[in-house]
Amino acid sequence: NAGVTQTPKFQVLKTGQSMTLQCAQDMNHEYMSWYRQDPGMGLRLIHYSVGAGITDQGEVPNGYNVSRSTTEDFPLRLLSAAPSQTSVYFCASSYSWGQGAGDTEAFFGQGTRLTVV
Amino acid sequence: GNSVTQMEGPVTLSEEAFLTINCTYTATGYPSLFWYVQYPGEGLQLLLKATKADDKGSNKGFEATYRKETTSFHLEKGSVQVSDSAVYFCALSDRYNTDKLIFGTGTRLQVFP
Repeated sequence: NAGVTQTPKFQVLKTGQSMTLQCAQDMNHEYMSWYRQDPGMGLRLIHYSVGAGITDQGEVPNGYNVSRSTTEDFPLRLLSAAPSQTSVYFCASSYSWGQGAGDTEAFFGQGTRLTVV
Repeated sequence: GNSVTQMEGPVTLSEEAFLTINCTYTATGYPSLFWYVQYPGEGLQLLLKATKADDKGSNKGFEATYRKETTSFHLEKGSVQVSDSAVYFCALSDRYNTDKLIFGTGTRLQVFP
């Protein structure tokens, strides 16, 4: 039972490089999201998706793109990495969300620690 | 807008001490409230939750009661262990107005033998 799998676990990028953080879940969850975790700021929502083909912006979307072509996968793309994007990134999924389903548990991956130099 | 405020850490305790981590919230609708825990090197995992006023969530000896009158959801444990050392996040979701989980800044707990 894999749950939510994120790859890679660690990554160092140079300013201006692009990369994709991978996230996959095997629980058939509708809702998936990306957060970044920074000291003193908790987790901030970057982008989220309520189902395949549907994505929306969270609190801090600038510099990131997402797509949701399948239920299982929700990759996060950094288009041109900047030092301000140095952070720990978490992907999460839950069965459904909104309209009375908001007490559903969110399952998190182990995180990707990204350093941009 | 919706928000969650947690006490700053770190909280440092000796084993078997009593733990309280304060959490208050602001919400316009009918939030569900959560405590998530992050052990070193791992992702977050749900510790407990409460979905309506006066509900008490409990798990692994931790408890929190949803207090609508004081907009609070404080986490308590009667006797902490070294293995409880982690970062604890309070969070809310407003089920009828948004699809999002909103987290507090997290409180680091360090328990020493």
